[in-house]
Amino acid sequence: NAGVTQTPKFRVLKTGQSMTLLCAQDMNHEYMYWYRQDPGMGLRLIHYSVGEGTTAKGEVPDGYNVSRLKKQNFLLGLESAAPSQTSVYFCASIQSPERQETQYFGPGTRLLVL
Amino acid sequence: QKEVEQDPGPLSVPEGAIVSLNCTYSNSAFQYFMWYRQYSRKGPELLMYTYSSGNKEDGRFTAQVDKSSKYISLFIRDSQPSDSATYLCAMILYSSASKIIFGSGTRLSIRP
Repeated sequence: NAGVTQTPKFRVLKTGQSMTLLCAQDMNHEYMYWYRQDPGMGLRLIHYSVGEGTTAKGEVPDGYNVSRLKKQNFLLGLESAAPSQTSVYFCASIQSPERQETQYFGPGTRLLVL
Repeated sequence: QKEVEQDPGPLSVPEGAIVSLNCTYSNSAFQYFMWYRQYSRKGPELLMYTYSSGNKEDGRFTAQVDKSSKYISLFIRDSQPSDSATYLCAMILYSSASKIIFGSGTRLSIRP
C-alpha cells in the first residue's frame, strides 16, 4: 500500500512548454484533488474528481486541464506553462467527505517555470 | 475577505510549552473542520477532524470548535521539537461536492 504517489518530484519548464503531472492512489478512493501551494496562500484547489470519468473545476483552474480515465489515476496537465504556475503541486485522495480519516496527500511536485 | 483566516506566524515557543493555533472563518455553512501538519518539503498530513462544536482530544492534541464565534483552535500540550512544522486549518462545505478550504498555515518552531 503506497498511499498517494506523485510523478515527477521536481521539474523545470520553459515558458510555453507543456507537461503532465501524475497522481496515483492504491486505496480505491473515489475523490481525488489537485492543489497548488504558494507562500502565504495556503492550498488552493485547482481541479477535483468525484469518481472515474468525472472532473470539476476548483478555485484556480485556469491554465490547467485534468483527466480521470482510471479510478486510481488523476492527471494534471499544463498545456502552455507560464511563470505564474511556478508552485508546489499536491494531489490528495479521500474515500468520501464523511470519512475525513481516509484522506491522504501525496509528497508534492515542485515545478519551476522559467 | 478570505473565507478562512489564519495567522501565518512564525510562532516560536520553548519545549514543553502549550501551543495555541487558531483560525477564523466567515461562512457558517462549513460543517467539517480539520487540522493538518506539514513538515518542510512534505505533503500535509491530517492531524484531527471534527464536525461539531466543542473539544476533541487525541493524545497531546486538542481541537476546539466554536461555531457561534466561527473560530477553531488547535492546542498542543507538552510541545516537542518534533512538533515544529506548519499547521494548516481546513474546512469543508459539504454541499459543495466536498470542496475543502484551507487556511494559509502557521509556521511553528519549538525551541529545545
